[in-house]
Amino acid sequence: GAVVSQHPSWVICKSGTSVKIECRSLDFQATTMFWYRQFPKQSLMLMATSNEGSKATYEQGVEKDKFLINHASLTLSTLTVTSAHPEDSSFYICSASALSLREGTDTQYFGPGTRLTVL
Amino acid sequence: RKEVEQDPGPFNVPEGATVAFNCTYSNSASQSFFWYRQDCRKEPKLLMSVYSSGNEDGRFTAQLNRASQYISLLIRDSKLSDSATYLCAVNGYKDDKIIFGKGTRLHILP
Repeated sequence: GAVVSQHPSWVICKSGTSVKIECRSLDFQATTMFWYRQFPKQSLMLMATSNEGSKATYEQGVEKDKFLINHASLTLSTLTVTSAHPEDSSFYICSASALSLREGTDTQYFGPGTRLTVL
Repeated sequence: RKEVEQDPGPFNVPEGATVAFNCTYSNSASQSFFWYRQDCRKEPKLLMSVYSSGNEDGRFTAQLNRASQYISLLIRDSKLSDSATYLCAVNGYKDDKIIFGKGTRLHILP
């Protein structure tokens, strides 16, 4: 299947700092990528849809000024958590849609996730 | 009604048993359906797609019931390694956004 990478895999930062997370599609081009957040023992929550060359679409309740998304190329989307606070500590996962020959349809492939801890 | 609903479980099942869980969806126009598996502190990984005609892959069988708007996953001869959270996913109707259920936790007991 298609490969999606994320960097960093984990990060610890001080409250008030900003953290940038990169999501790359390694062997395919992705005009659309998705950013999710998952708190411990909670479900996967879609935060926003990242669109190449245009503004991201945010889900209700997600602050666009706090979670900045940039999708500058067909293989890279970045999520910046600005002025991070302890309540932002979570598992952030990106995904991209690619045609799966095995499945015969567009399929979501996930990056390995970034574990953010804000002290 | 939530867009995608699953029984959160946990399902505690002895090794070797058969287990099944369902997932209901609200949008009758949905076209694509998937089951993902997520291990603790890992990203979801695609388990299988769900076709109108059903889909079988080894010990796993997925089925779609459009009339009742649910998909199911059946695991036969369960293994300890099947312990995980199983997420169902349904494509959205406005774009290619995928809506995930909250997941069903499965514990296979030795």
